[in-house]
Amino acid sequence: EAGVTQFPSHSVIEKGQTVTLRCDPISGHDNLYWYRRVMGKEIKFLLHFVKESKQDESGMPNNRFLAERTGGTYSTLKVQPAELEDSGVYFCASSQRINSYNEQFFGPGTRLTVL
Amino acid sequence: GESVGLHLPTLSVQEGDNSIINCAYSNSASDYFIWYKQESGKGPQFIIDIRSNMDKRQGQRVTVLLNKTVKHLSLQIAATQPGDSAVYFCAEILSGGSYIPTFGRGTSLIVHP
Repeated sequence: EAGVTQFPSHSVIEKGQTVTLRCDPISGHDNLYWYRRVMGKEIKFLLHFVKESKQDESGMPNNRFLAERTGGTYSTLKVQPAELEDSGVYFCASSQRINSYNEQFFGPGTRLTVL
Repeated sequence: GESVGLHLPTLSVQEGDNSIINCAYSNSASDYFIWYKQESGKGPQFIIDIRSNMDKRQGQRVTVLLNKTVKHLSLQIAATQPGDSAVYFCAEILSGGSYIPTFGRGTSLIVHP
């Protein structure tokens, strides 16, 4: 069974540009989560989808971040315009049940560098 | 807001030694805790969990200890191997809430052969 995949693995952009990150969850997982880790700091929750609906987006830092999950399959996270402080590793995770926190599978992450 | 923290950002050990990674949490209402291992180029991977009604739980070569009195969590790795080199994160969850884990900063474990 394929795990959670993320694309791209690395992205280097300049301040002010737009970047779109993609996450493909494990097939059949209704729950999809986005997290971010800024260098040397903790992994922080961004938002949670249940199928195509945003269940919790309390962690989204500001309106430069837009997450979508059209059709309830893959998800995209767009940053527009990117700022220096957006640099970090963006993780996606998926789970079958909403409260299966020990069954939340993470992707390898996308390392975003904003210059 | 309350958050999970770690005492040591980097831990270096010799192969075969036992490793202890510590974590302090501040939300006394958290009732579920998880340790994750993140290897280079990969995402966090679940290692072991413990509920707040327990003070110890053992897995294969790993033991998690929970001290609710001082809000302290530790991960013990027995006979540490080079393959254990990774960043380890603790996370706390308030299961009556959103079920979203709150992560600590992470501890880098370096195992020297």
